[in-house]
Amino acid sequence: GAGVSQSPSNKVTEKGKDVELRCDPISGHTALYWYRQSLGQGLEFLIYFQGNSAPDKSGLPSDRFSAERTGGSVSTLTIQRTQQEDSAVYLCASSPSGSQYNEQFFGPGTRLTVL
Amino acid sequence: GNSVTQMEGPVTLSEEAFLTINCTYTATGYPSLFWYVQYPGEGLQLLLKATKADDKGSNKGFEATYRKETTSFHLEKGSVQVSDSAVYFCALSGGSQGNLIFGKGTKLSVKP
Repeated sequence: GAGVSQSPSNKVTEKGKDVELRCDPISGHTALYWYRQSLGQGLEFLIYFQGNSAPDKSGLPSDRFSAERTGGSVSTLTIQRTQQEDSAVYLCASSPSGSQYNEQFFGPGTRLTVL
Repeated sequence: GNSVTQMEGPVTLSEEAFLTINCTYTATGYPSLFWYVQYPGEGLQLLLKATKADDKGSNKGFEATYRKETTSFHLEKGSVQVSDSAVYFCALSGGSQGNLIFGKGTKLSVKP
């Protein structure tokens, strides 16, 4: 079956512009996670959705970052007024539920480069 | 807080050598433990997992045993192949929102 998909695969933008990153989870997976992978920070958790709800946004690095999920499916991560330190690979993962026993299935990521 | 520490790389081995990548963790409660692998140019994929103490996860010749007494989950393979060259991440399910907490990754290069 189809795995987690993300788009775009690569995004180059200029400092100060807004970007939107999209994640399509595996059908039926209620839990969705966003992570960021960068050279200096490793793999860093950003935000979790159970259904359409994100109970805690404290993992987002700044108030320039926001995320939403609609219909219990597609999620978008928006970065406003991008900065060079936002350059990273943004990974999305989904899981059948939020249970700690379930593996998380990762998408291929979006590589964001801020010039 | 919960954390994962894994050995720093890069690790370079010859084909058919024995592999160990050390991973230790700090966690409250009883997290599940995972090894994920990232092949060049690809996304993260689950290699193996263990959900309780003394469980052994295994896949593709790789093994890791959940040791609560030493808070470890070391990855081992008896005979590595060139195709095992990748970055390996140890992770636990101890995040406050069910998120995974990852180690920094260990890059493995296997030479023919």
